[in-house]
Amino acid sequence: DTGVSQNPRHKITKRGQNVTFRCDPISEHNRLYWYRQTLGQGPEFLTYFQNEAQLEKSRLLSDRFSAERPKGSFSTLEIQRTEQGDSAMYLCASSSSQGGGETQYFGPGTRLLVL
Amino acid sequence: TQLLEQSPQFLSIQEGENLTVYCNSSSVFSSLQWYRQEPGEGPVLLVTVVTGGEVKKLKRLTFQFGDARKDSSLHITAAQPGDTGLYLCAGGRNTDKLIFGTGTRLQVFP
Repeated sequence: DTGVSQNPRHKITKRGQNVTFRCDPISEHNRLYWYRQTLGQGPEFLTYFQNEAQLEKSRLLSDRFSAERPKGSFSTLEIQRTEQGDSAMYLCASSSSQGGGETQYFGPGTRLLVL
Repeated sequence: TQLLEQSPQFLSIQEGENLTVYCNSSSVFSSLQWYRQEPGEGPVLLVTVVTGGEVKKLKRLTFQFGDARKDSSLHITAAQPGDTGLYLCAGGRNTDKLIFGTGTRLQVFP
């Protein structure tokens, strides 16, 4: 049984560089979510997909952020021109819309440090 | 706007003690999920409650969803060092995004 996987687990980059993270959801799940978590806080919603359609984006998701889920399976989150304030843990979660589908299962996260 | 308030924020207890963590909101949720998170890892699901007044038990952990579906509690009996971690409640509305609480950091000393 494979859960949600995320790559890379850690990323250190310099301010101004672009970074891309990948999330592979649980295979039968059609919904995929991205959250951001800063130190000492609970995760905050960024965006979510049902299949390949991006259904909602948070106001936290500035125009430097873009997320895709081209074939309704894995997803990527790209941050362009990174800023130090982007340093955080980026979490991916997936769920199934069938049978109620409230429960979200999280991956291990990608920790980003912008120097 | 923080919709879910957790209390206490920090809890430091001895092994064997009991504790309760509270998760409160002025908003109604269709479900309430509890997660435990260890440093550097993603949240791990403990339980989902969906019915007002529902009580679920997971070994020494007891979860309750308020009758009005606005609040929840987590009770741990005879805490053990392995229970140490960040406990997060999260409210859901019909498979939409989760709204997370502020978290309760629990430390259980041997």
